[in-house]
Amino acid sequence: DIVMTQTPLSSPVTLGQPASISCRSSQSLVQSDGNTYLSWLQQRPGQPPRLLIYKISNRFSGVPDRFSGSGAGTDFTLKISRVEAEDVGVYYCMQGTQFPWTFGQGTKVEIK
Amino acid sequence: QVQLVESGGGVVQFGRSLRLSCAASGFTFSSNAIHWVRQAPGKGLEWVAVIWYDGSNKYYADSVKGRFTISRDNSKNTLYLQMNSLRVEDTAVYYCAKGKTSGGTVDYWGQGTMVTVSS
Repeated sequence: DIVMTQTPLSSPVTLGQPASISCRSSQSLVQSDGNTYLSWLQQRPGQPPRLLIYKISNRFSGVPDRFSGSGAGTDFTLKISRVEAEDVGVYYCMQGTQFPWTFGQGTKVEIK
Repeated sequence: QVQLVESGGGVVQFGRSLRLSCAASGFTFSSNAIHWVRQAPGKGLEWVAVIWYDGSNKYYADSVKGRFTISRDNSKNTLYLQMNSLRVEDTAVYYCAKGKTSGGTVDYWGQGTMVTVSS
C-alpha cells in the first residue's frame, strides 16, 4: 500500500497569515495514464470531508483561490495564502492512483 | 445539487451483521463509481471500498476484505455496504462518496452514518 505522510500534524496560524502543509508518498503517484491522482480534502469540525484540490493543483468547484496545490512525483504541498476563520479544520492528502486509496494522517489547522 | 444520504448505522454486537445504504440524487448515479470511506472516532479517514459505475469492478481495503461486500442498484440510485463478522475496530462513521468522473478522487460526500460495534 502507498503510505502518505503529512507534516506538520498541527499548524497554529494567525488570521491573515499563510499556511503550508506537506504530503509525501512512499512511491510515485504518477499513474500509467500520465495523471497524478493526489487530492487535498478539508474537514471542518463536525462535518464530512470536502474536496479542495484534485490532480495536484486543480481547485474544485467553489473552492476559494487562496487554496493552491503544487508538487510532483512523491512530494506535494497545500498552501493557504491568507488563513481565514472558516479554514479551521483538519486537512488530508489522499492518493487515488492505486487501490487501496490511502490518506495522510491529517493536519489540524487552528487559529493562534 | 448532488446529495448522498447514508442510513442503516447503529449499535451492533461483535460478530453480527449490518447493511448500510446510500441514496444518491442530483447526478447520473449509473455513470459514477461510488466509494465507502470510514472514520473511527477521533481518528483519520480510511478508504473502505469502491464499486464501478456498472458494478463490474469492486475493490476493498484489506481490513474488510472477505467480510464486507459493496453493491449498487442503479435502478434505485442506491449503494449498499453489507458488513458481516463485525469487529470492535469497525466502529466508525461510514461515508459514501461519489467518484469524480475524471477519476482518482471523490468529489461529493454524504453526512455519514455511525456504526458502533460492541463487545
